[in-house]
Amino acid sequence: GDSVTQMEGPVTLSEEAFLTINCTYTATGYPSLFWYVQYPGEGLQLLLKATKADDKGSNKGFEATYRKETTSFHLEKGSVQVSDSAVYFCALAKDSNYQLIWGAGTKLIIKP
Amino acid sequence: NAGVTQTPKFRVLKTGQSMTLLCAQDMNHEYMYWYRQDPGMGLRLIHYSVGEGTTAKGEVPDGYNVSRLKKQNFLLGLESAAPSQTSVYFCASSSGEPQHFGDGTRLSIL
Repeated sequence: GDSVTQMEGPVTLSEEAFLTINCTYTATGYPSLFWYVQYPGEGLQLLLKATKADDKGSNKGFEATYRKETTSFHLEKGSVQVSDSAVYFCALAKDSNYQLIWGAGTKLIIKP
Repeated sequence: NAGVTQTPKFRVLKTGQSMTLLCAQDMNHEYMYWYRQDPGMGLRLIHYSVGEGTTAKGEVPDGYNVSRLKKQNFLLGLESAAPSQTSVYFCASSSGEPQHFGDGTRLSIL
């Protein structure tokens, strides 16, 4: 069945470091791919998305490119800030009911 | 700017007790979802609804019931709470993509 695999956390970086959080997926067809972010004590919110191969989603300095050949959607940011500390979830859209298949989440800790 | 509101935010129950979690959305969304979030397991779909009066089972429906009598509300019920149901519960709504989430209900079953 469909699945999403994320790199395990926590990922600890210093401020201004380069960030990569890996995400790979298994799915039939051509799913849409998403990154959601969860700040402490809050619900999840959409960070970015891509709906077809080679699309690049971007928001708040974060980027991710839909790579069908490697079935990946890695999240990147060139210079992280303390305020980026959160849990990041990769997900794919399964079917017309807009159900999402979720990765386990990666906790990101940014130290000043 | 209410969005998705979950009630209550925290609750402690004893094994065997029942309770209902309420989710309300003010965005006129057709689709609503209940998830549970456990450490290291991401989000797992419990039940969902594609419109008023409809419900369907998700990945982990056992021990839960839901109702969607009004379009804006989606209720999650635990008839006889068990310690394995200790979790953080999230409600979400959408009219397609993306899903909009509430802030969660932290539920502990002793």
